[in-house]
Amino acid sequence: DAGITQSPRHKVTETGTPVTLRCHQTENHRYMYWYRQDPGHGLRLIHYSYGVKDTDKGEVSDGYSVSRSKTEDFLLTLESATSSQTSVYFCAISPTDRAYEQYFGPGTRLTVT
Amino acid sequence: TQLLEQSPQFLSIQEGENLTVYCNSSSVFSSLQWYRQEPGEGPVLLVTVVTGGEVKKLKRLTFQFGDARKDSSLHITAAQPGDTGLYLCAGVPNFGNEKLTFGTGTRLTIIP
Repeated sequence: DAGITQSPRHKVTETGTPVTLRCHQTENHRYMYWYRQDPGHGLRLIHYSYGVKDTDKGEVSDGYSVSRSKTEDFLLTLESATSSQTSVYFCAISPTDRAYEQYFGPGTRLTVT
Repeated sequence: TQLLEQSPQFLSIQEGENLTVYCNSSSVFSSLQWYRQEPGEGPVLLVTVVTGGEVKKLKRLTFQFGDARKDSSLHITAAQPGDTGLYLCAGVPNFGNEKLTFGTGTRLTIIP
């Protein structure tokens, strides 16, 4: 158990509203990631972090921003949600000594209407 | 274009049968992982392989990394209903930004 929680687990929101998803870890791991999972596309990296205040873009970062002000929390924000952002969002962590291995949270199902 | 191609996309077999699923690429990977994901949950790491030709066993599951580190296979012996799930391979390419890349998965159903 990598001690990863995500909140909320489910959310329905309207187009144009801001949404923030939270990922919390209890193990003080350095690396944290946000993915989205969609049928036919698999898991795609949105943003990642390699430490407090150190973040970078993944392959599908448009329309998303992230913040990491504490080691244990990694926030994903949709500034103005669109229907194309309806998806299941997963947070993941990597242990510092095994950065190529990832451990996932339970996911957040987001529906934008 | 998907860097990691998994086949088959869907597989449905009877309990007790053997099966193999594949993860292929034209690129070399420094390491490759297999994950299993059940409905409503996040992927769970099963194994990591790092050396060309490496074989790892996890109970009835056998994982092999290709000699050239471009492909991998997962073989399940005597499949059980508990093996049902989405199997994902993921690898760190041996070039560029070296971020973990996922295949689109094989959805396996074991029929009791």
